Amino acid sequence: QQPVQSPQAVILREGEDAVINCSSSKALYSVHWYRQKHGEAPVFLMILLKGGEQKGHDKISASFNEKKQQSSLYLTASQLSYSGTYFCGGGNQFYFGTGTSLTVIP
Amino acid sequence: NAGVTQTPKFRVLKTGQSMTLLCAQDMNHEYMYWYRQDPGMGLRLIHYSVGEGTTAKGEVPDGYNVSRLKKQNFLLGLESAAPSQTSVYFCASSRDRVDGYTFGSGTRLTVV
Repeated sequence: QQPVQSPQAVILREGEDAVINCSSSKALYSVHWYRQKHGEAPVFLMILLKGGEQKGHDKISASFNEKKQQSSLYLTASQLSYSGTYFCGGGNQFYFGTGTSLTVIP
Repeated sequence: NAGVTQTPKFRVLKTGQSMTLLCAQDMNHEYMYWYRQDPGMGLRLIHYSVGEGTTAKGEVPDGYNVSRLKKQNFLLGLESAAPSQTSVYFCASSRDRVDGYTFGSGTRLTVV
């Protein structure tokens, strides 16, 4: 039942861009994105609502295709602070994705 | 500071012992959740609550019980701990079904 994320892991150099994908086999009415640093709790990044409304902050953006039950997180001009594991979550399902480990190197 | 507080932060149990993990939030959130996180497994939902006095099973509820007697508190109980319950436990809360979650700092539990 967990949404599936891809890629599982990615390594970037500072300033490079990345895309993380999230796909669910069940209908999604909203999608959440979180970042978790090692040894810490997940931190909410963004929520995408059915109908295209996006609620979030920071310089990270995302898209949500309700028909395909897919969401993508876009990180542009990555910074060292972007390193961590990213999780998507189906807002109405309470389940989290399998996670994507992102490492930004100098 | 407003947020979600979990106690204890660390605990070591012997097999068969019982314990209760406490989660408290001061944001007047309706929804509360308990997750466990194991290496390579991501976050798995144990139980959740959509309001005071309500509880529901999640993905991996066996071996756990919960109670939500007060809106601000969500308790997770282990009646007879097993080594398979060694994990990091996170509590979270949200205003409603659509809102983003606020997580507690986690409880690292080891069952020997």
